[in-house]
Amino acid sequence: GAVVSQHPSWVICKSGTSVKIECRSLDFQATTMFWYRQFPKQSLMLMATSNEGSKATYEQGVEKDKFLINHASLTLSTLTVTSAHPEDSSFYICSAQRTSGASEQYFGPGTRLTVT
Amino acid sequence: GESVGLHLPTLSVQEGDNSIINCAYSNSASDYFIWYKQESGKGPQFIIDIRSNMDKRQGQRVTVLLNKTVKHLSLQIAATQPGDSAVYFCAEVASWGKLQFGAGTQVVVTP
Repeated sequence: GAVVSQHPSWVICKSGTSVKIECRSLDFQATTMFWYRQFPKQSLMLMATSNEGSKATYEQGVEKDKFLINHASLTLSTLTVTSAHPEDSSFYICSAQRTSGASEQYFGPGTRLTVT
Repeated sequence: GESVGLHLPTLSVQEGDNSIINCAYSNSASDYFIWYKQESGKGPQFIIDIRSNMDKRQGQRVTVLLNKTVKHLSLQIAATQPGDSAVYFCAEVASWGKLQFGAGTQVVVTP
C-alpha cells in the first residue's frame, strides 16, 4: 500500500500559540507533499506544495509566514501554524506523491485543529 | 467546477439503488480526473480515475463517465450500501500534480 500518517490527529491550542502538524509517508518516499485545509461542509483547499529540500510553494492568499512548511526528508513534511487564532481552526490534510513520478496523491487522515 | 462550496448538495439514496453523482469542471485543458470519497473526520480516499482519452471507466461497483464536450463528470455507484455514505469529490489534476477539488456531494444511504 501507500500509507500516509498525520500527527496529531487532533489538537486544541490557545490563541497566540504555535502548533506543528507532521505528515509522514510510511512505506514510500515522497519528493512532493501537499497541504490542504478544509472547513466544515466545504471542499479541500490547497494551501501549499512542499518539495523535499526546497522551499514550499504557497497558493495565492496563503500567508507563508503564518503557515511554515518544512520538508526535511523524503518521508516527512511539517506544517506549523504560528500565532494561531480561532479562524485557523480547521481540518488540515496532507497528501504525498511518490518520488517515482506517478501523479497519484495519497492522503493522510487529517488533523483537526481547534484554537480557543 | 468551483473549488469552494458553502453548502454541500446532498443526495439521498435508498440502500440497493444506484447513485449518480455529478461534477462540472472548468478547465477544458484538464486531461486527468479523480473521484474521492471522504468519510466524516477522515482524509479523502481514492475511488477511481479517468483520463481525457476515455469517456468511461469501470471499477468495482463504480463507473466514471466523462463528457469533455460539456466538461462534465459523473460517478455511478451500483447497489448503494450504507458504507457508501460519505462526501464525494471530483478533482481535476492540474500542472505538477496539483488537485483542484470540486465542491463535493454528500451521499446519504437510507435503509
